[in-house]
Amino acid sequence: QQQVKQSPQSLIVQKGGISIINCAYENTAFDYFPWYQQFPGKGPALLIAIRPDVSEKKEGRFTISFNKSAKQFSLHIMDSQPGDSATYFCAASMYGGSQGNLIFGKGTKLSVKP
Amino acid sequence: DARVTQTPRHKVTEMGQEVTMRCQPILGHNTVFWYRQTMMQGLELLAYFRNRAPLDDSGMPKDRFSAEMPDATLATLKIQPSEPRDSAVYFCASGPRTGSDTQYFGPGTRLTVL
Repeated sequence: QQQVKQSPQSLIVQKGGISIINCAYENTAFDYFPWYQQFPGKGPALLIAIRPDVSEKKEGRFTISFNKSAKQFSLHIMDSQPGDSATYFCAASMYGGSQGNLIFGKGTKLSVKP
Repeated sequence: DARVTQTPRHKVTEMGQEVTMRCQPILGHNTVFWYRQTMMQGLELLAYFRNRAPLDDSGMPKDRFSAEMPDATLATLKIQPSEPRDSAVYFCASGPRTGSDTQYFGPGTRLTVL
């Protein structure tokens, strides 16, 4: 069974702090690793994504770190804000992001306290 | 602002009834995905289409679920007969052939089967 394991299940961070969410995968054929953000009552929305040929990608306050040898990747949210409070899902795909199904982690509920 | 649309947004039905959910993918996108979200299982792929052809429906209970794309602007997911364990949020997502790796999710249909 292809799996993506995500931790922690929930995370509480103070405003201005760093939020870190980790994911591990098994299938080395995965070639696309996105992070999705979901607010209550909404569909998931792409936050940031990485391919395995780079070790880090940064977009604003959001950074993905990717460790191919360990088959792990993580999301770092710098200067966390209350508006970042949401559920975050890591995912993996074998066919790029738009042409093949995504295998999702179980999600991390992030709460940023003011 | 192109979006994936889903109808209905909410559906309450009784066990044994037929349920039909509809999705309009973003114009020009060639892949359409159906995902189901539950607290226990998280986000799981049910089925997906590329260029209207079904590619993978291994995530669907075949005896009661069916997915179709009668044309490029409409995807449907039917459950007949529905059961209480089908209660979940059903998301449709679409992806472009080129230019982006992103799967764009709709707002979901929240299904409650009594």
